[in-house]
Amino acid sequence: NAGVTQTPKFQVLKTGQSMTLQCAQDMNHNSMYWYRQDPGMGLRLIYYSASEGTTDKGEVPNGYNVSRLNKREFSLRLESAAPSQTSVYFCASAKGTDIANYGYTFGSGTRLTVV
Amino acid sequence: AQSVTQLGSHVSVSEGALVLLRCNYSSSVPPYLFWYVQYPNQGLQLLLKYTSAATLVKGINGFEAEFKKSETSFHLTKPSAHMSDAAEYFCAVSDPAGGYQKVTFGIGTKLQVIP
Repeated sequence: NAGVTQTPKFQVLKTGQSMTLQCAQDMNHNSMYWYRQDPGMGLRLIYYSASEGTTDKGEVPNGYNVSRLNKREFSLRLESAAPSQTSVYFCASAKGTDIANYGYTFGSGTRLTVV
Repeated sequence: AQSVTQLGSHVSVSEGALVLLRCNYSSSVPPYLFWYVQYPNQGLQLLLKYTSAATLVKGINGFEAEFKKSETSFHLTKPSAHMSDAAEYFCAVSDPAGGYQKVTFGIGTKLQVIP
């Protein structure tokens, strides 16, 4: 009954370093999403994948890349981390792209600090 | 473009008092609307959703929300606050212009319940 699993839960990076945030879901969901959460700004969509093999930019894609490795996994990569990318990152999944009918299931988040 | 505005980033109520969290939306067509709750150090959980059926929507934990098209509002209420309701609440919108594929979140309202 894992749902959406994100790793790592915490990470500290130096400016310029790269890293990949991992997300996996075991609910056979088709669509997956990456959001970042910042104080006073709510959640903002970085990238999403409506189905295996497709990815699209969200509201704030600059500085990030994604890979939909298979139906279960959707990773987020920071190629050259910047302090502005300090945030809490949430992965979410949904059974279909009709969000109203299927809703989101969220992971517990990755807290990333870039120094 | 779709958006939501949550009035009040912090709301305090006494235990047993009415909870009212305000949300107004902006969308070119009737959207789908959601309320999510986030407990400390956790991901978001869906409280309730409006998808053009009944305008009064009941959710989990005794919460409900009413869709008012004339006021472009979707306020969240609960008759009697409980200590366990202390959390951050997010209003969110999804509209057909985006194929209902994406959800835009408000900035969130932190609810404090005073014993």
